[in-house]
Amino acid sequence: AQTVTQSQPEMSVQEAETVTLSCTYDTSESDYYLFWYKQPPSRQMILVIRQEAYKQQNATENRFSVNFQKAAKSFSLKISDSQLGDAAMYFCAYRSNDYKLSFGAGTTVTVRA
Amino acid sequence: GAVVSQHPSWVICKSGTSVKIECRSLDFQATTMFWYRQFPKQSLMLMATSNEGSKATYEQGVEKDKFLINHASLTLSTLTVTSAHPEDSSFYICSAQNWGVYGYTFGSGTRLTVV
Repeated sequence: AQTVTQSQPEMSVQEAETVTLSCTYDTSESDYYLFWYKQPPSRQMILVIRQEAYKQQNATENRFSVNFQKAAKSFSLKISDSQLGDAAMYFCAYRSNDYKLSFGAGTTVTVRA
Repeated sequence: GAVVSQHPSWVICKSGTSVKIECRSLDFQATTMFWYRQFPKQSLMLMATSNEGSKATYEQGVEKDKFLINHASLTLSTLTVTSAHPEDSSFYICSAQNWGVYGYTFGSGTRLTVV
Protein backbone atom coordinates (compact mmCIF):
# COMPACT_ATOMS: atom_id res chain seq x y z
CA ALA A 1 0.00 0.00 0.00
CA GLN A 2 1.09 3.51 -0.72
CA THR A 3 2.10 5.75 2.19
CA VAL A 4 0.07 8.91 2.71
CA THR A 5 1.35 11.40 5.27
CA GLN A 6 -0.61 14.16 6.93
CA SER A 7 1.77 15.94 9.25
CA GLN A 8 -0.78 18.21 10.95
CA PRO A 9 -2.86 16.37 13.56
CA GLU A 10 -4.88 19.51 14.31
CA MET A 11 -5.51 22.87 12.68
CA SER A 12 -7.53 25.79 13.95
CA VAL A 13 -8.95 28.58 11.80
CA GLN A 14 -11.01 31.67 12.42
CA GLU A 15 -14.38 31.77 10.72
CA ALA A 16 -14.11 33.38 7.26
CA GLU A 17 -10.35 32.84 7.17
CA THR A 18 -8.33 30.39 5.09
CA VAL A 19 -6.63 27.20 6.22
CA THR A 20 -4.35 24.86 4.31
CA LEU A 21 -3.96 21.18 5.09
CA SER A 22 -0.87 19.37 3.92
CA CYS A 23 -0.56 15.90 2.45
CA THR A 24 2.33 14.05 0.90
CA TYR A 25 2.41 10.58 -0.56
CA ASP A 26 4.85 8.02 -1.78
CA THR A 27 4.33 6.13 -5.01
CA SER A 28 6.05 4.70 -8.04
CA GLU A 29 2.89 4.75 -10.14
CA SER A 30 2.50 7.37 -12.84
CA ASP A 31 -1.28 7.42 -13.01
CA TYR A 32 -3.41 7.62 -9.90
CA TYR A 33 -6.14 9.57 -8.16
CA LEU A 34 -5.97 11.66 -5.01
CA PHE A 35 -8.87 12.58 -2.78
CA TRP A 36 -9.70 14.69 0.21
CA TYR A 37 -12.49 13.37 2.41
CA LYS A 38 -14.24 15.09 5.27
CA GLN A 39 -15.47 13.16 8.30
CA PRO A 40 -17.72 15.25 10.57
CA PRO A 41 -18.80 14.08 14.04
CA SER A 42 -21.48 11.92 12.40
CA ARG A 43 -18.53 9.92 10.97
CA GLN A 44 -20.07 9.84 7.49
CA MET A 45 -17.25 10.10 4.95
CA ILE A 46 -17.90 12.94 2.52
CA LEU A 47 -15.90 13.54 -0.65
CA VAL A 48 -14.49 17.06 -0.70
CA ILE A 49 -12.40 17.05 -3.86
CA ARG A 50 -10.70 14.72 -6.31
CA GLN A 51 -7.61 15.12 -8.47
CA GLU A 52 -6.47 12.97 -11.36
CA ALA A 53 -2.69 12.74 -11.49
CA TYR A 54 -2.55 13.20 -15.26
CA LYS A 55 -4.25 16.57 -15.00
CA GLN A 56 -1.93 19.48 -14.37
CA GLN A 57 -4.74 21.83 -13.47
CA ASN A 58 -5.54 21.95 -9.78
CA ALA A 59 -9.06 20.85 -8.87
CA THR A 60 -11.45 23.29 -7.23
CA GLU A 61 -14.88 22.83 -5.68
CA ASN A 62 -16.40 26.08 -4.48
CA ARG A 63 -14.40 27.11 -1.38
CA PHE A 64 -12.13 24.08 -1.58
CA SER A 65 -9.08 23.92 -3.80
CA VAL A 66 -5.95 21.83 -4.00
CA ASN A 67 -2.33 22.50 -4.79
CA PHE A 68 -1.15 19.39 -6.58
CA GLN A 69 2.60 19.13 -7.05
CA LYS A 70 3.19 15.81 -8.79
CA ALA A 71 6.97 15.93 -8.79
CA ALA A 72 7.03 16.73 -5.10
CA LYS A 73 4.24 14.21 -4.42
CA SER A 74 2.33 16.84 -2.53
CA PHE A 75 -1.43 17.39 -2.44
CA SER A 76 -2.55 20.17 -0.09
CA LEU A 77 -6.12 21.30 0.51
CA LYS A 78 -7.07 24.94 0.94
CA ILE A 79 -10.33 25.84 2.60
CA SER A 80 -11.29 29.44 1.92
CA ASP A 81 -13.86 31.51 3.80
CA SER A 82 -14.02 28.85 6.51
CA GLN A 83 -17.44 28.12 7.95
CA LEU A 84 -18.48 26.49 11.21
CA GLY A 85 -19.76 23.53 9.21
CA ASP A 86 -16.24 22.88 7.92
CA ALA A 87 -15.22 21.60 11.35
CA ALA A 88 -14.35 17.94 10.88
CA MET A 89 -11.54 15.48 10.43
CA TYR A 90 -10.05 15.64 6.96
CA PHE A 91 -8.37 12.69 5.33
CA CYS A 92 -6.11 12.70 2.31
CA ALA A 93 -6.38 9.50 0.29
CA TYR A 94 -4.48 7.89 -2.58
CA ARG A 95 -6.10 5.50 -5.04
CA SER A 96 -3.70 3.02 -6.48
CA ASN A 97 -4.04 1.02 -9.67
CA ASP A 98 -5.77 -1.81 -7.77
CA TYR A 99 -8.46 0.72 -6.80
CA LYS A 100 -7.66 0.50 -3.11
CA LEU A 101 -7.61 3.69 -1.07
CA SER A 102 -4.78 4.47 1.32
CA PHE A 103 -5.64 7.12 3.88
CA GLY A 104 -3.48 9.53 5.79
CA ALA A 105 -3.74 9.83 9.55
CA GLY A 106 -6.13 12.76 9.29
CA THR A 107 -6.20 16.39 10.35
CA THR A 108 -8.80 17.69 12.77
CA VAL A 109 -10.00 21.14 11.75
CA THR A 110 -11.55 23.41 14.35
CA VAL A 111 -13.33 26.59 13.25
CA ARG A 112 -13.44 29.44 15.75
CA ALA A 113 -16.49 31.70 15.69
CA GLY B 1 -26.89 10.90 -5.60
CA ALA B 2 -25.36 7.51 -4.99
CA VAL B 3 -26.16 6.03 -1.60
CA VAL B 4 -24.81 3.07 0.32
CA SER B 5 -27.09 2.05 3.15
CA GLN B 6 -25.23 0.45 6.06
CA HIS B 7 -27.02 -1.35 8.90
CA PRO B 8 -27.05 -1.50 11.79
CA SER B 9 -25.64 1.90 12.73
CA TRP B 10 -24.71 0.60 16.13
CA VAL B 11 -24.81 -2.77 17.84
CA ILE B 12 -23.89 -4.16 21.22
CA CYS B 13 -23.27 -7.88 21.48
CA LYS B 14 -22.01 -10.32 24.03
CA SER B 15 -18.55 -11.80 23.79
CA GLY B 16 -18.58 -15.01 21.78
CA THR B 17 -21.54 -14.15 19.60
CA SER B 18 -21.55 -13.18 15.92
CA VAL B 19 -22.69 -9.94 14.38
CA LYS B 20 -23.60 -9.24 10.75
CA ILE B 21 -23.24 -5.84 9.14
CA GLU B 22 -24.95 -5.14 5.82
CA CYS B 23 -24.15 -2.65 3.11
CA ARG B 24 -26.52 -2.07 0.22
CA SER B 25 -25.98 0.15 -2.78
CA LEU B 26 -29.36 1.74 -3.41
CA ASP B 27 -29.10 3.24 -6.88
CA PHE B 28 -26.05 1.75 -8.51
CA GLN B 29 -24.33 -1.58 -8.91
CA ALA B 30 -21.46 -2.11 -6.54
CA THR B 31 -19.20 -4.65 -8.16
CA THR B 32 -16.51 -3.97 -5.59
CA MET B 33 -16.95 -3.22 -1.91
CA PHE B 34 -14.24 -2.26 0.54
CA TRP B 35 -14.48 -2.82 4.28
CA TYR B 36 -12.63 -0.59 6.73
CA ARG B 37 -12.09 -0.47 10.44
CA GLN B 38 -11.60 2.80 12.28
CA PHE B 39 -10.59 3.38 15.88
CA PRO B 40 -11.50 6.68 17.59
CA LYS B 41 -9.67 9.67 16.14
CA GLN B 42 -7.65 7.42 13.87
CA SER B 43 -7.55 6.73 10.19
CA LEU B 44 -9.45 4.15 8.18
CA MET B 45 -7.66 0.84 7.85
CA LEU B 46 -8.63 -1.36 4.92
CA MET B 47 -9.63 -4.82 6.07
CA ALA B 48 -10.73 -6.51 2.87
CA THR B 49 -11.97 -6.10 -0.66
CA SER B 50 -14.96 -8.01 -1.94
CA ASN B 51 -16.04 -8.50 -5.51
CA GLU B 52 -19.49 -9.70 -6.46
CA GLY B 53 -19.59 -13.45 -6.88
CA SER B 54 -16.03 -14.16 -5.75
CA LYS B 55 -14.12 -14.62 -2.52
CA ALA B 56 -12.97 -11.57 -0.64
CA THR B 57 -9.31 -10.68 -0.47
CA TYR B 58 -8.04 -9.73 2.95
CA GLU B 59 -5.30 -7.35 3.92
CA GLN B 60 -2.30 -8.67 5.76
CA GLY B 61 -3.01 -9.28 9.41
CA VAL B 62 -6.78 -9.51 9.06
CA GLU B 63 -8.23 -12.84 10.19
CA LYS B 64 -10.43 -14.09 7.37
CA ASP B 65 -12.13 -16.64 9.62
CA LYS B 66 -13.11 -13.96 12.10
CA PHE B 67 -14.28 -11.37 9.57
CA LEU B 68 -16.41 -13.19 7.02
CA ILE B 69 -17.33 -11.18 3.97
CA ASN B 70 -20.00 -12.14 1.47
CA HIS B 71 -20.79 -10.24 -1.71
CA ALA B 72 -23.54 -12.33 -3.20
CA SER B 73 -25.16 -9.68 -5.36
CA LEU B 74 -24.33 -6.43 -7.11
CA THR B 75 -26.14 -4.47 -4.42
CA LEU B 76 -25.36 -6.27 -1.18
CA SER B 77 -22.20 -7.03 0.74
CA THR B 78 -22.07 -8.28 4.32
CA LEU B 79 -19.41 -8.44 7.00
CA THR B 80 -19.89 -10.96 9.80
CA VAL B 81 -17.75 -10.67 12.89
CA THR B 82 -17.64 -14.18 14.28
CA SER B 83 -17.04 -15.08 17.91
CA ALA B 84 -16.70 -11.42 18.74
CA HIS B 85 -14.44 -10.30 21.56
CA PRO B 86 -14.04 -6.90 23.24
CA GLU B 87 -10.99 -6.15 21.12
CA ASP B 88 -13.22 -6.33 18.02
CA SER B 89 -15.09 -3.29 19.27
CA SER B 90 -14.62 -0.61 16.66
CA PHE B 91 -16.25 1.46 13.94
CA TYR B 92 -16.70 -0.46 10.69
CA ILE B 93 -17.29 1.32 7.38
CA CYS B 94 -18.06 -0.04 3.94
CA SER B 95 -17.30 1.73 0.69
CA ALA B 96 -18.55 0.84 -2.76
CA GLN B 97 -16.66 1.61 -5.89
CA ASN B 98 -18.94 3.77 -7.99
CA TRP B 99 -17.91 3.75 -11.63
CA GLY B 100 -20.54 6.34 -12.41
CA VAL B 101 -18.63 9.01 -10.52
CA TYR B 102 -15.17 7.43 -10.72
CA GLY B 103 -15.08 7.44 -6.98
CA TYR B 104 -16.34 5.78 -3.92
CA THR B 105 -19.55 5.93 -1.94
CA PHE B 106 -19.26 5.26 1.77
CA GLY B 107 -21.79 3.76 4.12
CA SER B 108 -22.59 5.62 7.32
CA GLY B 109 -20.67 3.15 9.46
CA THR B 110 -21.45 0.68 12.23
CA ARG B 111 -20.31 1.13 15.79
CA LEU B 112 -19.73 -2.31 17.28
CA THR B 113 -19.37 -2.75 21.02
CA VAL B 114 -18.59 -6.20 22.39
CA VAL B 115 -19.25 -6.66 26.09
